Amino acid sequence: EVQLVQSGAEVKKPGESLKISCKGSGYTFANYWISWVRQMPGKGLEWMGKIYPADSATRYSPSFQGQVSISVDKSISTAYVQWSGLKASDTAMYYCVKHYTIYVMEVWGQGTTVTVSS
Amino acid sequence: QSALTQPPSASGSPGQSVTISCTGTSSDVGGYNHVSWYQQHPGKAPKLLIYEVTKQPSGVPDRFSASKSGNTASLTVSGLQPEDEADYYCTSYAGSSNFVVFGGGTKLTVL
Repeated sequence: EVQLVQSGAEVKKPGESLKISCKGSGYTFANYWISWVRQMPGKGLEWMGKIYPADSATRYSPSFQGQVSISVDKSISTAYVQWSGLKASDTAMYYCVKHYTIYVMEVWGQGTTVTVSS
Repeated sequence: QSALTQPPSASGSPGQSVTISCTGTSSDVGGYNHVSWYQQHPGKAPKLLIYEVTKQPSGVPDRFSASKSGNTASLTVSGLQPEDEADYYCTSYAGSSNFVVFGGGTKLTVL
């Protein structure tokens, strides 16, 4: 069974750094893009960017370029998204998603809640 | 403001059909056959319903179908069932600058 298991909920203060993870199993992790998607409380889905584990190629949404960094460690089948200086507006649920093709996001992780509050 | 425009809400009675629209531009929906639809129940992760405009992953009921005309894609839910009550999101490839854009989501209520 294809699965993405994300790291647990985080509570951080503004200005702190954070790295959340997404571990894939049940498929050849290196061969499929992984996207990250944000959902702010009560709001819709926003695509942040994606990474191809085989060569770590990344693509970012213009809205998130420079705001987050997406990385991967294919040796442990894990993708990451990190922030170097969190803001209250980063409070959201974050999902990782395995692609079926480069254009199709297929299998979703369970989500990681990030709360940024002083 | 979302890149793709969806109605905020839609509703129908059990057994009826409902269609949700997703309007973009020639730079996204109209320019590529890479439109997907997702269903999200409250507190749950989204689930892929439709990809490449009309294709269904295995396990998705045939009651869900989709199409595209010009810059507008549509999702139709036939024979509404109570469990279809959820939020529905469209997404499209938007070229090598924007890559992926989502619609704002439509809350489907089964009356």
